[in-house]
Amino acid sequence: SQKIEQNSEALNIQEGKTATLTCNYTNYSPAYLQWYRQDPGRGPVFLLLIRENEKEKRKERLKVTFDTTLKQSLFHITASQPADSATYLCALDVRGSTLGRLYFGRGTQLTVWP
Amino acid sequence: KAGVTQTPRYLIKTRGQQVTLSCSPISGHRSVSWYQQTPGQGLQFLFEYFSETQRNKGNFPGRFSGRQFSNSRSEMNVSTLELGDSALYLCASSLMGDRGYTFGSGTRLTVV
Repeated sequence: SQKIEQNSEALNIQEGKTATLTCNYTNYSPAYLQWYRQDPGRGPVFLLLIRENEKEKRKERLKVTFDTTLKQSLFHITASQPADSATYLCALDVRGSTLGRLYFGRGTQLTVWP
Repeated sequence: KAGVTQTPRYLIKTRGQQVTLSCSPISGHRSVSWYQQTPGQGLQFLFEYFSETQRNKGNFPGRFSGRQFSNSRSEMNVSTLELGDSALYLCASSLMGDRGYTFGSGTRLTVV
């Protein structure tokens, strides 16, 4: 069966450290992988997109890697801050799937403490 | 530019009733997708519309329906509400239906 797993439901780290979140998938062939941030009671906010032929992408303090052989994406937040505390979702845009549909993981709740 | 607007923000309905939710996408975005989010199932895809045509549909019963108007605004309707329909309903828009979606804040539906 098809599955998207994010490494843990919750991750707690100290301010200034690097947070690393994992997204693993099985039985999908994603053309793109996206990461979103969601705060309580709000909709997800798009952060980064990486294509299947890209290994790494960066945006300010964020870095995403994509390994289609391992079927895994890593999402890094460097120099983390309490304001980074939120739930982070990975989403797959699947090759061959009709446009407009994303498959989401359950999310990892990140807490950055001072 | 204005974001994706969903109305209403909160709704309380009784089992058996029907409900209509509205979504106004970002100006110029022609694709509108709908998702249901619950603590138990996470984000589940409902359907996607592009230029007034439904292009994709998730695994939800026929009680869930939607439409898109010529100005790209979209509505979704749930008939014969069940307790299990209580959820956050999210609308997302994009230019072509791919590559990074902008979500609204959602409509929190509670069925009692």
